[in-house]
Amino acid sequence: DTGVSQDPRHKITKRGQNVTFRCDPISEHNRLYWYRQTLGQGPEFLTYFQNEAQLEKSRLLSNRFSAERPKGSFSTLEIQRTEQGDSAMYLCASSLHRDRGNEQFFGPGTRLTVL
Amino acid sequence: GDSVTQMEGPVTLSEEAFLTINCTYTATGYPSLFWYVQYPGEGLQLLLKATKADDKGSNKGFEATYRKETTSFHLEKGSVQVSDSAVYFCALSDNTNAGKSTFGDGTTLTVKP
Repeated sequence: DTGVSQDPRHKITKRGQNVTFRCDPISEHNRLYWYRQTLGQGPEFLTYFQNEAQLEKSRLLSNRFSAERPKGSFSTLEIQRTEQGDSAMYLCASSLHRDRGNEQFFGPGTRLTVL
Repeated sequence: GDSVTQMEGPVTLSEEAFLTINCTYTATGYPSLFWYVQYPGEGLQLLLKATKADDKGSNKGFEATYRKETTSFHLEKGSVQVSDSAVYFCALSDNTNAGKSTFGDGTTLTVKP
């Protein structure tokens, strides 16, 4: 399977702990996106990378959140000092940026529960 | 900013019924439009897309036409099946340098035999 993979699929943590999620995009894709999805809502954009450069961050992304894509391949999303409001599904997507209508391929997501 | 508004669900239909899920959008510039589907226990996957006005996207019997004048991208299928039960998301991509997507809140479709 050469789709987008995410690890772990589920994470339960206590409030105040740090967590890190990993995303492995489709290998030839140069763009990688992170989204957050809560129950009953659509995914909300958090940040994206073109190769290794982080080019945009949403206002939703507080300073407790940091994302990296060190070699332009896999990416990590770290949440420091987790809060109960961080409980959500964190989705990663990748695309090959060419022109209009670039399809984003989504991973299965990491479901975070903060107790 | 960009936004997408979808018909609220849930929607329950009998097999072979006609499906319409309404989607309207607000965007600056000329976005591309998408419908994604999420089957139970699976990730989001692209169902169909349209990149310019009057384009029709189609896949698996589903269709949607990019209507610039009404800023709409309604999803239709002539005869639904039980296997179409899923959550459907309308989305737009801003086609600027970012290409990030803005999603609607999703519409849950249940098809009963």
